[in-house]
Amino acid sequence: EAQVTQNPRYLITVTGKKLTVTCSQNMNHEYMSWYRQDPGLGLRQIYYSMNVEVTDKGDVPEGYKVSRKEKRNFPLILESPSPNQTSLYFCASIKQGRWNEQYFGPGTRLTVT
Amino acid sequence: QKEVEQDPGPLSVPEGAIVSLNCTYSNSAFQYFMWYRQYSRKGPELLMYTYSSGNKEDGRFTAQVDKSSKYISLFIRDSQPSDSATYLCAFAWGSGGGADGLTFGKGTHLIIQP
Repeated sequence: EAQVTQNPRYLITVTGKKLTVTCSQNMNHEYMSWYRQDPGLGLRQIYYSMNVEVTDKGDVPEGYKVSRKEKRNFPLILESPSPNQTSLYFCASIKQGRWNEQYFGPGTRLTVT
Repeated sequence: QKEVEQDPGPLSVPEGAIVSLNCTYSNSAFQYFMWYRQYSRKGPELLMYTYSSGNKEDGRFTAQVDKSSKYISLFIRDSQPSDSATYLCAFAWGSGGGADGLTFGKGTHLIIQP
């Protein structure tokens, strides 16, 4: 079964405490990306990766880092979280050249106090 | 002018009605048009995907693209309470998995009343 998994699903943390949200896909997709979803703003892309060791900024990259050391994993790192990073985060994977083969993870709800 | 406009709703219709959801866009370079369904507390799920203009049908769902008007629609026939969700439109100019990414509408919240 095609699957994108994210962990944790829910996280409450404090300002400045580094955290990592993991994302893993089992479809051998080249392309992976991270989005945040906020009320009234919709889905906005944070970072994307077109393959192993190839990452680039999306529309809202400030305050985030990513890495792509393996094809299946694409972790999102918040080195010093701030309250404005409180949001719902989604990881997605896409087969290169095939928009109709794309999957989103179940989401991670992050609260930064 | 915003790149994508989508009425957030909520749109409430009785069960069995035909639902029409719409988005307008301004970027004439968009070639790929998508609709997603997102249930509460879930990730978006690709529902319909079309390339260029025209109609595409899949069961009770029909996606329509009018590039001349920069307008796309999703029609749901014989709507069911299980169709209650937020529907997102999305656009891209590249073939997928490239640097262009997706541009999303903000979503329309649809409620089907039993």
